Amino acid sequence: DAKTTQPNSMESNEEEPVHLPCNHSTISGTDYIHWYRQLPSQGPEYVIHGLTSNVNNRMASLAIAEDRKSSTLILHRATLRDAAVYYCILRDVRMDSSYKLIFGSGTRLLVRP
Amino acid sequence: GAGVSQSPRYKVAKRGQDVALRCDPISGHVSLFWYQQALGQGPEFLTYFQNEAQLDKSGLPSDRFFAERPEGSVSTLKIQRTQQEDSAVYLCASSSIAGGPGETQYFGPGTRLLVL
Repeated sequence: DAKTTQPNSMESNEEEPVHLPCNHSTISGTDYIHWYRQLPSQGPEYVIHGLTSNVNNRMASLAIAEDRKSSTLILHRATLRDAAVYYCILRDVRMDSSYKLIFGSGTRLLVRP
Repeated sequence: GAGVSQSPRYKVAKRGQDVALRCDPISGHVSLFWYQQALGQGPEFLTYFQNEAQLDKSGLPSDRFFAERPEGSVSTLKIQRTQQEDSAVYLCASSSIAGGPGETQYFGPGTRLLVL
């Protein structure tokens, strides 16, 4: 699986938007971009995924660069409950082992009240 | 509906003891995964079941680790002769399909194992 690079940590103020970047310069054409987050003392939870087009759901938006070498997870209004470690993961659907999530170190998001 | 549950939530073992960690996946989920998460690190894949078949055990760190899912639902991860380096959070996840671009894994809260 292609490697992703994320900042170790970011800070945000409550009720402000947050943009969490992810670089994946070696992404292949069949890699999907997935985001999971892990709240303190909990297991990871799915946030969003996409291939080429920007995606929106009730939790967040995913903006994917035109060359697909980077993406940004957007939380439109951060709340204290959004404080978590956010993981950007690539999944190559060509591979038989695409079920295997390969987590990096993620970005720890701190939300200030 | 009920999510993935794991028991026990916390386990303290003396070095050399055997431990068994249980995972109850979401009802009807075909796929089940175990991950290991060391302190301050992201989770690492251990093994994967599709129904009762263990299709991938490439992440199991040693032959002291053994996982089973005999009836295709509940799974148990067993660690024999525990070592201090086994101390970690063990996460179980399940999904309704196996792989593919839209597959979402649902994680349990994990079992925190401390080996003294």
